[in-house]
Amino acid sequence: EVQLVQSGAEVKKPGESLKISCKGSGYIFSSHWIGWVRQMPGKGLEWMGIIYPGDSDTRYSPSFQGQVTISADKSISTAYLQWSSLKASDTAMYYCARPNSFQYWYFDLWGRGTLVTVSS
Amino acid sequence: DIQMTQSPSTLSASVGDRVTITCRASQSINNWLAWYQQKPGKAPKLLIYKASSLESGVPSRFSGSGSGTEFTLTISSLQPDDFATYSCQQYNSFSPETFGQGTKLEIK
Repeated sequence: EVQLVQSGAEVKKPGESLKISCKGSGYIFSSHWIGWVRQMPGKGLEWMGIIYPGDSDTRYSPSFQGQVTISADKSISTAYLQWSSLKASDTAMYYCARPNSFQYWYFDLWGRGTLVTVSS
Repeated sequence: DIQMTQSPSTLSASVGDRVTITCRASQSINNWLAWYQQKPGKAPKLLIYKASSLESGVPSRFSGSGSGTEFTLTISSLQPDDFATYSCQQYNSFSPETFGQGTKLEIK
Protein backbone atom coordinates (compact mmCIF):
# COMPACT_ATOMS: atom_id res chain seq x y z
CA GLU A 1 0.00 0.00 0.00
CA VAL A 2 1.27 3.44 -0.93
CA GLN A 3 1.28 5.56 2.21
CA LEU A 4 2.96 8.22 4.28
CA VAL A 5 3.24 7.49 7.98
CA GLN A 6 3.91 10.42 10.25
CA SER A 7 5.37 10.45 13.74
CA GLY A 8 3.16 10.92 16.77
CA ALA A 9 1.86 14.01 18.51
CA GLU A 10 4.34 16.16 20.38
CA VAL A 11 4.00 18.50 23.36
CA LYS A 12 6.91 20.87 23.79
CA LYS A 13 7.86 24.02 25.64
CA PRO A 14 8.82 27.29 23.95
CA GLY A 15 12.49 27.33 23.06
CA GLU A 16 12.78 23.56 22.71
CA SER A 17 13.83 21.84 19.52
CA LEU A 18 11.80 19.29 17.60
CA LYS A 19 12.10 17.01 14.58
CA ILE A 20 9.03 15.24 13.21
CA SER A 21 9.10 12.57 10.55
CA CYS A 22 7.22 11.22 7.57
CA LYS A 23 8.01 7.74 6.25
CA GLY A 24 6.97 6.76 2.77
CA SER A 25 6.24 3.22 1.69
CA GLY A 26 4.84 1.38 -1.30
CA TYR A 27 6.59 3.58 -3.86
CA ILE A 28 10.08 4.73 -4.81
CA PHE A 29 10.59 7.36 -2.13
CA SER A 30 13.63 8.98 -3.71
CA SER A 31 11.77 9.65 -6.97
CA HIS A 32 8.97 11.82 -5.58
CA TRP A 33 8.99 15.21 -3.92
CA ILE A 34 7.64 15.39 -0.36
CA GLY A 35 6.01 18.56 0.89
CA TRP A 36 5.00 19.89 4.28
CA VAL A 37 1.77 21.74 5.01
CA ARG A 38 0.81 23.57 8.20
CA GLN A 39 -2.70 23.94 9.55
CA MET A 40 -3.04 26.12 12.60
CA PRO A 41 -6.05 25.49 14.86
CA GLY A 42 -9.26 26.38 13.03
CA LYS A 43 -7.36 27.81 10.07
CA GLY A 44 -6.57 26.97 6.46
CA LEU A 45 -3.75 25.07 4.84
CA GLU A 46 -0.33 26.70 4.40
CA TRP A 47 2.32 25.42 2.02
CA MET A 48 5.64 25.32 3.89
CA GLY A 49 8.13 23.75 1.57
CA ILE A 50 9.15 20.67 -0.36
CA ILE A 51 12.12 18.35 -0.76
CA TYR A 52 13.24 15.92 -3.41
CA PRO A 53 14.78 13.01 -1.48
CA GLY A 54 16.78 11.86 -4.49
CA ASP A 55 19.18 14.80 -4.26
CA SER A 56 17.82 16.77 -1.25
CA ASP A 57 16.84 19.74 -3.44
CA THR A 58 14.69 21.79 -1.06
CA ARG A 59 12.41 24.77 -1.65
CA TYR A 60 10.83 26.86 1.09
CA SER A 61 7.92 29.23 1.11
CA PRO A 62 9.31 32.65 2.07
CA SER A 63 6.98 32.61 5.08
CA PHE A 64 8.80 29.59 6.47
CA GLN A 65 12.35 30.11 5.20
CA GLY A 66 14.66 30.29 8.20
CA GLN A 67 11.91 29.18 10.57
CA VAL A 68 12.07 25.45 9.87
CA THR A 69 14.40 22.96 8.21
CA ILE A 70 13.19 20.29 5.83
CA SER A 71 15.42 17.27 5.25
CA ALA A 72 15.22 13.69 4.07
CA ASP A 73 17.07 10.40 4.42
CA LYS A 74 16.38 8.40 1.30
CA SER A 75 18.06 5.31 2.76
CA ILE A 76 15.17 4.95 5.20
CA SER A 77 12.50 6.62 3.03
CA THR A 78 11.88 9.34 5.59
CA ALA A 79 11.44 13.08 5.38
CA TYR A 80 11.75 15.43 8.33
CA LEU A 81 10.57 18.81 9.50
CA GLN A 82 12.49 20.40 12.31
CA TRP A 83 12.58 23.44 14.53
CA SER A 84 15.57 24.67 16.53
CA SER A 85 13.57 26.85 18.90
CA LEU A 86 9.82 26.40 19.06
CA LYS A 87 7.35 29.21 19.66
CA ALA A 88 3.78 29.02 20.90
CA SER A 89 2.73 30.11 17.40
CA ASP A 90 4.16 26.86 16.00
CA THR A 91 1.23 25.03 17.57
CA ALA A 92 -0.47 23.37 14.62
CA MET A 93 -1.14 20.19 12.72
CA TYR A 94 1.63 19.43 10.25
CA TYR A 95 0.98 17.24 7.25
CA CYS A 96 3.46 15.69 4.88
CA ALA A 97 2.16 15.11 1.38
CA ARG A 98 3.41 13.77 -1.94
CA PRO A 99 2.85 15.20 -5.37
CA ASN A 100 2.24 12.53 -7.98
CA SER A 101 4.09 14.61 -10.55
CA PHE A 102 7.73 15.69 -10.59
CA GLN A 103 6.79 19.00 -12.14
CA TYR A 104 3.38 19.85 -10.71
CA TRP A 105 3.11 20.11 -6.97
CA TYR A 106 -0.45 19.27 -6.08
CA PHE A 107 -0.73 16.50 -3.49
CA ASP A 108 -2.47 13.20 -4.16
CA LEU A 109 -1.08 11.39 -1.10
CA TRP A 110 -1.17 12.74 2.44
CA GLY A 111 0.02 11.60 5.82
CA ARG A 112 -2.44 11.68 8.73
CA GLY A 113 -0.68 14.65 10.29
CA THR A 114 1.42 15.30 13.38
CA LEU A 115 -0.05 17.59 16.02
CA VAL A 116 2.55 19.83 17.59
CA THR A 117 1.57 21.69 20.75
CA VAL A 118 3.93 24.30 22.15
CA SER A 119 2.99 25.54 25.58
CA SER A 120 4.75 26.62 28.72
CA ASP B 1 3.32 35.31 -3.88
CA ILE B 2 0.15 34.45 -5.76
CA GLN B 3 -2.85 35.00 -3.46
CA MET B 4 -5.81 32.67 -3.65
CA THR B 5 -9.19 33.95 -2.46
CA GLN B 6 -12.16 31.65 -2.00
CA SER B 7 -15.79 32.61 -1.73
CA PRO B 8 -17.88 32.17 0.18
CA SER B 9 -16.07 31.39 3.42
CA THR B 10 -19.09 29.47 4.65
CA LEU B 11 -21.91 27.96 2.64
CA SER B 12 -25.12 26.47 4.04
CA ALA B 13 -26.91 23.99 1.81
CA SER B 14 -29.20 20.98 1.88
CA VAL B 15 -28.84 17.45 0.64
CA GLY B 16 -29.61 17.41 -3.06
CA ASP B 17 -28.62 21.03 -3.66
CA ARG B 18 -26.24 22.10 -6.39
CA VAL B 19 -23.45 24.21 -4.91
CA THR B 20 -20.61 26.21 -6.38
CA ILE B 21 -17.46 27.46 -4.68
CA THR B 22 -15.25 30.06 -6.31
CA CYS B 23 -11.49 30.50 -6.13
CA ARG B 24 -9.77 33.57 -7.54
CA ALA B 25 -6.03 33.97 -8.14
CA SER B 26 -4.24 37.31 -7.85
CA GLN B 27 -2.61 36.64 -11.22
CA SER B 28 -3.04 34.12 -14.00
CA ILE B 29 -2.22 30.53 -13.06
CA ASN B 30 -3.37 29.07 -16.41
CA ASN B 31 -5.22 25.92 -15.30
CA TRP B 32 -2.79 24.84 -12.59
CA LEU B 33 -5.35 24.54 -9.82
CA ALA B 34 -6.34 21.74 -7.47
CA TRP B 35 -9.28 21.31 -5.13
CA TYR B 36 -9.23 19.40 -1.85
CA GLN B 37 -11.89 18.22 0.58
CA GLN B 38 -11.09 18.08 4.28
CA LYS B 39 -13.20 16.67 7.09
CA PRO B 40 -12.59 17.48 10.76
CA GLY B 41 -9.55 15.69 12.16
CA LYS B 42 -8.62 14.26 8.77
CA ALA B 43 -6.01 15.03 6.14
CA PRO B 44 -7.11 16.79 2.95
CA LYS B 45 -8.20 14.64 0.04
CA LEU B 46 -7.49 15.56 -3.58
CA LEU B 47 -10.67 15.99 -5.65
CA ILE B 48 -9.69 17.88 -8.78
CA TYR B 49 -6.39 18.77 -10.45
CA LYS B 50 -5.53 20.83 -13.51
CA ALA B 51 -8.70 22.81 -12.81
CA SER B 52 -11.11 20.22 -14.20
CA SER B 53 -9.54 16.75 -14.05
CA LEU B 54 -11.30 14.45 -11.61
CA GLU B 55 -9.00 12.44 -9.35
CA SER B 56 -9.50 8.70 -9.59
CA GLY B 57 -12.20 7.43 -7.25
CA VAL B 58 -13.85 10.83 -6.74
CA PRO B 59 -17.60 10.81 -7.46
CA SER B 60 -18.66 12.40 -10.71
CA ARG B 61 -20.97 14.84 -8.90
CA PHE B 62 -17.80 16.87 -8.29
CA SER B 63 -16.57 18.99 -11.16
CA GLY B 64 -14.16 21.86 -11.65
CA SER B 65 -13.88 24.58 -14.24
CA GLY B 66 -12.05 27.79 -15.01
CA SER B 67 -8.72 29.08 -16.20
CA GLY B 68 -6.56 32.12 -15.75
CA THR B 69 -7.68 33.73 -12.51
CA GLU B 70 -11.18 32.41 -11.82
CA PHE B 71 -12.13 28.86 -10.97
CA THR B 72 -15.14 27.01 -9.62
CA LEU B 73 -15.81 23.75 -7.85
CA THR B 74 -19.35 22.45 -8.34
CA ILE B 75 -21.12 19.66 -6.52
CA SER B 76 -24.12 18.75 -8.63
CA SER B 77 -26.25 17.11 -5.94
CA LEU B 78 -25.04 17.32 -2.37
CA GLN B 79 -24.76 14.10 -0.43
CA PRO B 80 -24.50 13.83 3.37
CA ASP B 81 -20.82 12.85 3.02
CA ASP B 82 -20.00 16.10 1.20
CA PHE B 83 -20.34 18.41 4.19
CA ALA B 84 -16.72 19.39 4.75
CA THR B 85 -14.23 22.18 4.09
CA TYR B 86 -13.01 22.72 0.53
CA SER B 87 -9.72 24.38 -0.36
CA CYS B 88 -8.13 25.36 -3.65
CA GLN B 89 -4.40 25.32 -4.32
CA GLN B 90 -2.47 26.91 -7.17
CA TYR B 91 0.65 25.22 -8.50
CA ASN B 92 1.43 27.42 -11.47
CA SER B 93 5.04 27.79 -10.50
CA PHE B 94 7.02 27.84 -7.34
CA SER B 95 5.94 31.28 -6.26
CA PRO B 96 5.39 29.42 -3.79
CA GLU B 97 2.40 27.17 -4.19
CA THR B 98 -0.47 28.61 -2.16
CA PHE B 99 -3.85 27.52 -0.81
CA GLY B 100 -7.08 29.41 -0.54
CA GLN B 101 -8.42 30.05 2.94
CA GLY B 102 -11.06 27.35 2.66
CA THR B 103 -14.84 27.18 2.30
CA LYS B 104 -16.83 25.40 4.98
CA LEU B 105 -19.89 23.65 3.56
CA GLU B 106 -22.51 23.27 6.28
CA ILE B 107 -25.87 21.58 6.49
CA LYS B 108 -28.74 24.07 6.27
